[in-house]
Amino acid sequence: DADVTQTPRNRITKTGKRIMLECSQTKGHDRMYWYRQDPGLGLRLIYYSFDVKDINKGEISDGYSVSRQAQAKFSLSLESAIPNQTALYFCATSSGSTDTQYFGPGTRLTVL
Amino acid sequence: RKEVEQDPGPFNVPEGATVAFNCTYSNSASQSFFWYRQDCRKEPKLLMSVYSSGNEDGRFTAQLNRASQYISLLIRDSKLSDSATYLCVLDTGRRALTFGSGTRLQVQP
Repeated sequence: DADVTQTPRNRITKTGKRIMLECSQTKGHDRMYWYRQDPGLGLRLIYYSFDVKDINKGEISDGYSVSRQAQAKFSLSLESAIPNQTALYFCATSSGSTDTQYFGPGTRLTVL
Repeated sequence: RKEVEQDPGPFNVPEGATVAFNCTYSNSASQSFFWYRQDCRKEPKLLMSVYSSGNEDGRFTAQLNRASQYISLLIRDSKLSDSATYLCVLDTGRRALTFGSGTRLQVQP
């Protein structure tokens, strides 16, 4: 079984809809991250969390919110989706800030 | 200026060739450096860390030049399976890693 899972894997939604992307991990790591990837722009950090009581904005947090429900779960929400949020979203975990990050398989989100 | 800059490629090379990628970074306070590999439509995975003294892992060699603020990745004897995008990654001391946009390698038979 995969150590980092993401649901859904693919999602098509309409402008203005609320959507939640979920991430779960079995690696026992404290640190979890949400990134989006766009062609030519690489991975950009949306939010990160170092434990259940620690939530931090990344470089592109506007339009997104997160919830760390437990050590193993970190959810990303788009309150009112817009087309420029169409992207590939990755969740990642690590045991330390400079340690290896382990990524989930990604969620491909399309906002029409 | 971007914090991490990479030539997007693609680098098209024949099997067996040696290919090198460079990555430049702007934050001189960066402490740790890595190369990640990302296959098409897949998640990134750590390829190797980059140490000040340089390091080698089989056909892959990574180098760090702090004075000129760049890191490099050398792949010898390229295989078809090396075709992927290679991401330059560094720790800039901001509690999370910074990823470059990647260099695409296509190894051709």
